[in-house]
Amino acid sequence: DTEVTQTPKHLVMGMTNKKSLKCEQHMGHRAMYWYKQKAKKPPELMFVYSYEKLSINESVPSRFSPECPNSSLLNLHLHALQPEDSALYLCASSQENSPSLTQPQHFGDGTRLSIL
Amino acid sequence: ILNVEQSPQSLHVQEGDSTNFTCSFPSSNFYALHWYRWETAKSPEALFVMTLNGDEKKKGRISATLNTKEGYSYLYIKGSQPEDSATYLCAFATGNQFYFGTGTSLTVIP
Repeated sequence: DTEVTQTPKHLVMGMTNKKSLKCEQHMGHRAMYWYKQKAKKPPELMFVYSYEKLSINESVPSRFSPECPNSSLLNLHLHALQPEDSALYLCASSQENSPSLTQPQHFGDGTRLSIL
Repeated sequence: ILNVEQSPQSLHVQEGDSTNFTCSFPSSNFYALHWYRWETAKSPEALFVMTLNGDEKKKGRISATLNTKEGYSYLYIKGSQPEDSATYLCAFATGNQFYFGTGTSLTVIP
């Protein structure tokens, strides 16, 4: 069983809906990550939070809005998504993000998102 | 966007065979090279993080080497077992950016 929990596992939403993806870890990790993975493509880094502050934003459209309420939780708020945003969204955590991205990441099982 | 290439794209081996695959990455601005194993319907699992040129890491029957000067890493599996069947992903860390390769899909035939 993964130590990074993502909910929901599946989400179907219309283009006008607002929804949120949730990620939780209790390993004491201080860095958390959101990735987007399309079929047959590698995961693409979207956001990195380090010590609850956004440290990396890979030029992701504003219809994706991350939030890190505390060191254990990471949310991804979704609004006015497009059909091309349908993908697997993976959350990960690591002990810390310094030095840069040199710690192994622990992944959740992902949320499979479909935009109608 | 950087290119992180993995080869071969897919591989079928018989149980007991040893195998290896390659991850190629830019040789400049290197911070770390990660290897992950991703089984179907599960989450990616960290195998190794390598930071120094010449690093060699080992975990059971799986080992990896790193050459940062020429920009490649090899992953070796000795005596492949059916449970080794998975997609093996490498990821290149440079500064505050992180790029996964497209993966090598390994199938071990009993």
